[in-house]
Amino acid sequence: SQQGEEDPQALSIQEGENATMNCSYKTSINNLQWYRQNSGRGLVHLILIRSNEREKHSGRLRVTLDTSKKSSSLLITASRAADTASYFCATCRDDKIIFGKGTRLHILP
Amino acid sequence: DSGVTQTPKHLITATGQRVTLRCSPRSGDLSVYWYQQSLDQGLQFLIQYYNGEERAKGNILERFSAQQFPDLHSELNLSSLELGDSALYFCASSRGPSSTPLHFGNGTRLTVT
Repeated sequence: SQQGEEDPQALSIQEGENATMNCSYKTSINNLQWYRQNSGRGLVHLILIRSNEREKHSGRLRVTLDTSKKSSSLLITASRAADTASYFCATCRDDKIIFGKGTRLHILP
Repeated sequence: DSGVTQTPKHLITATGQRVTLRCSPRSGDLSVYWYQQSLDQGLQFLIQYYNGEERAKGNILERFSAQQFPDLHSELNLSSLELGDSALYFCASSRGPSSTPLHFGNGTRLTVT
C-alpha cells in the first residue's frame, strides 16, 4: 500500500510554538498533499508538493519532501488556537489519492 | 464552504438494510471521490469517478456500489449493512481525472444499529 503514515499520532504544544508533523509513504508518487480536518467536518486542502519539488511555503506552512526517504514534513510556525485540528498527508499516484491516519494537533493556550 | 454537497448529514439504520448517500460536486468539477472514515481505520479510499466513468477503485466492499450520473452528481449505495459500516462517508470532487486539490463535503454520518 502507498498509504502515508503520519507521525506523531498526537501532538500538544503551547500557542506560539512551532508544530512539526511527519509523513512516510511506501511507493513512488506524483505528488503529496497535506489536509486539515476540524472535528467531524470535511477535510480542507492546505498545500501540494510535486515529486520534483523539495520545499514549498504557504503562509505559516512549510512543507518538505524527500523522495529518496519517501517522507514529508509539515511545519506550522507560530501556532494559534485555530490550528487545533487533525492533519493528514495524502499521496497521489495515478488516480488514487490515499490518506494516512492523521496527526491530532492540540494548541494549548 | 467547499461547494460540495452531501446528503443526508446523518443516517441511522438497522443491520441488513440498504442506504444511498448522495453527493453533488463543486460546480465545474468532473471527478468525484468517495472515502470512508472510521476511528480505527482512518480515511479509506473507496472509489473515484470521472465524467461518469469509474476511474479508480480502492478498498470498496462488494456490498457497496457507486455511480456518477450525467449531471455529475454521485451516489454511494451501501447494502446488507453491518455494525462495522458505521462511519463518516465523505465525498470529494476535483476538476480533472487526477487533478488536485480535493474539495470535501461535510460528510454523511452513518450509524448502523
